[in-house]
Amino acid sequence: DAKTTQPPSMDCAEGRAANLPCNHSTISGNEYVYWYRQIHSQGPQYIIHGLKNNETNEMASLIITEDRKSSTLILPHATLRDTAVYYCIVRVAVNNDMRFGAGTRLTVKP
Amino acid sequence: DSGVTQTPKHLITATGQRVTLRCSPRSGDLSVYWYQQSLDQGLQFLIQYYNGEERAKGNILERFSAQQFPDLHSELNLSSLELGDSALYFCASSVGSTAPTNSPLHFGNGTRLTVT
Repeated sequence: DAKTTQPPSMDCAEGRAANLPCNHSTISGNEYVYWYRQIHSQGPQYIIHGLKNNETNEMASLIITEDRKSSTLILPHATLRDTAVYYCIVRVAVNNDMRFGAGTRLTVKP
Repeated sequence: DSGVTQTPKHLITATGQRVTLRCSPRSGDLSVYWYQQSLDQGLQFLIQYYNGEERAKGNILERFSAQQFPDLHSELNLSSLELGDSALYFCASSVGSTAPTNSPLHFGNGTRLTVT
């Protein structure tokens, strides 16, 4: 199954865009990229997912490169409440389970 | 609110004991997933059920077992508990099983298990 690589931590100023990168160079053609976040010890929260095209919803935008080997999650106007661990996951097509890596700890600073 | 309900929220028990964690998926979701999150290991996938049948297995110990009932709720049974089993246990649900992979998982807020 495809693995992902994310930076362990990032900082962002409040009100600025937070751009979280993810590498998934071994992704297969039918595997989706998912983003989740976990605030403190709460359950992971679904943010967005995509296959090939860029996606946008009320929470964030997802930019996937044309070769699909990397993606970027964009939080357009980060707030202090966006401080969390962000997980980039490639969904395995065969059995549909979802395996989490270590994620990126995003700290939004005032 | 994700719509996934987990009970109990907290559980304290002694080594060697057996506990059962319960999960009610979102209305309409047929798949249930269980995850374990320890302080030093992140979120570990344990097992997945779809409409009552086991679909995928992850790092689940032999002392642990799960099942999904006809009403689609699921239970995770942990036996012969050890100190190292202390963790947050999350349940998630989604619509599909092997297809589509286009349906997100929605997580409950977990059960915090403390083994003393």
